[in-house]
Amino acid sequence: AQSVSQHNHHVILSEAASLELGCNYSYGGTVNLFWYVQYPGQHLQLLLKYFSGDPLVKGIKGFEAEFIKSKFSFNLRKPSVQWSDTAEYFCAVDNYGQNFVFGPGTRLSVLP
Amino acid sequence: GAGVSQSPRYKVAKRGQDVALRCDPISGHVSLFWYQQALGQGPEFLTYFQNEAQLDKSGLPSDRFFAERPEGSVSTLKIQRTQQEDSAVYLCASSLAQGGSYEQYFGPGTRLTVT
Repeated sequence: AQSVSQHNHHVILSEAASLELGCNYSYGGTVNLFWYVQYPGQHLQLLLKYFSGDPLVKGIKGFEAEFIKSKFSFNLRKPSVQWSDTAEYFCAVDNYGQNFVFGPGTRLSVLP
Repeated sequence: GAGVSQSPRYKVAKRGQDVALRCDPISGHVSLFWYQQALGQGPEFLTYFQNEAQLDKSGLPSDRFFAERPEGSVSTLKIQRTQQEDSAVYLCASSLAQGGSYEQYFGPGTRLTVT
């Protein structure tokens, strides 16, 4: 069965620190890849997505992610985090029109 | 523009009661998904509709769970004889079409607490 793993359960950073959240998936076929964010008290929002083409994708709020097919990875990065980035981050894989499989999430806490 | 809406936002049920959770997808969205999100975990797929057809219900945890979308728009997730393990946030998502490169838009969820 398809699965998605996220390396870190909880990450604590100071403002201006760089961020990298790991995501690996198990599906071997063609996939679409997503990062969703859930701010406290809010619903899931799309941060960025990869469908095809350039494996380095840029999303909202300065986030980017790199798809490395050989490593089955789609890590999320941001050069300098802000306090407002405090949220739960979920990686998700969509094997072409089937249901999304979500990772367990990584909670990011940014200290002011 | 209107997003995905869900009602109620919060529901407390006594064990054994039946509950019905409603989802209004974005107008024109063909696909509708239900997910269950337990505390501290990622959403887990329950079921999927394309228009009024339920194409995948492999994630429904038991036959107490039933979903419908009779007219291809609003959907209802029904849980019969609720149990404590049913306590979770139930998320609804919709997307423009099935297959290919379409993102899912999520509603705020319904937090169900079974006492």
